[in-house]
Amino acid sequence: SYELTQPPSVSVSPGQTARITCSGDALPQHYAYWYQQKPGQAPVLVIYKDSERPSGIPERFSGSSSGTTVTLSISGVQAEDEADYYCQSADSSGIYVFGTGTKVTVL
Amino acid sequence: EVQLVESGGGLVKPGGSLRLSCAASGFTFSNAWMSWVRQAPGKGLEWVGRIKSKTDGGTTDYTAPVKGRFTISRDDSKDTLYLQMNSLKIEDTAVYYCTTELSIPYWGQGTLVTVSS
Repeated sequence: SYELTQPPSVSVSPGQTARITCSGDALPQHYAYWYQQKPGQAPVLVIYKDSERPSGIPERFSGSSSGTTVTLSISGVQAEDEADYYCQSADSSGIYVFGTGTKVTVL
Repeated sequence: EVQLVESGGGLVKPGGSLRLSCAASGFTFSNAWMSWVRQAPGKGLEWVGRIKSKTDGGTTDYTAPVKGRFTISRDDSKDTLYLQMNSLKIEDTAVYYCTTELSIPYWGQGTLVTVSS
């Protein structure tokens, strides 16, 4: 079955830039979405259609795409950005799938 | 403002059934493709399945672990999405979220389903 691969964890110091990658063979054909999830809360959309930011999401969150990899970048990381992050996209049949998830730790 | 409110979760024994509902508002529900996503305790997100709008055929797709046991349906007159879950297994224990497949996806707050004897 189709998989989206993310690094299990990323550690970053406050004020630095965190980059989370998501790799999948069908990513060139389908948009990617990124979700932030804090403990005990529902996921929050932070990036849609590869690089668009919903209203209310800080400008420090950005998304990019290159071939079979999409990347979520968080510039000027703050303590409140510590959370799990998931990418989502579709396989060749249009069936949605989520990435394995990345835990971002702010040192 | 888009709102999705799930209900119907609870404790059920293995082999039992449960029906979840998702009441939608703030958008044209009948035009939207809708999905269910679940998250087992301490685990990642798992897409469960979707139903397309009736104008797009109203067909459904499911992830392999729930095929033949779960059924997604919709009542456009009530702006409500359903997830009928039969032959429940312990591994179906999760928070179940209702989501839209709009240009900008929206999520509900989720409802907890616990399958335990």
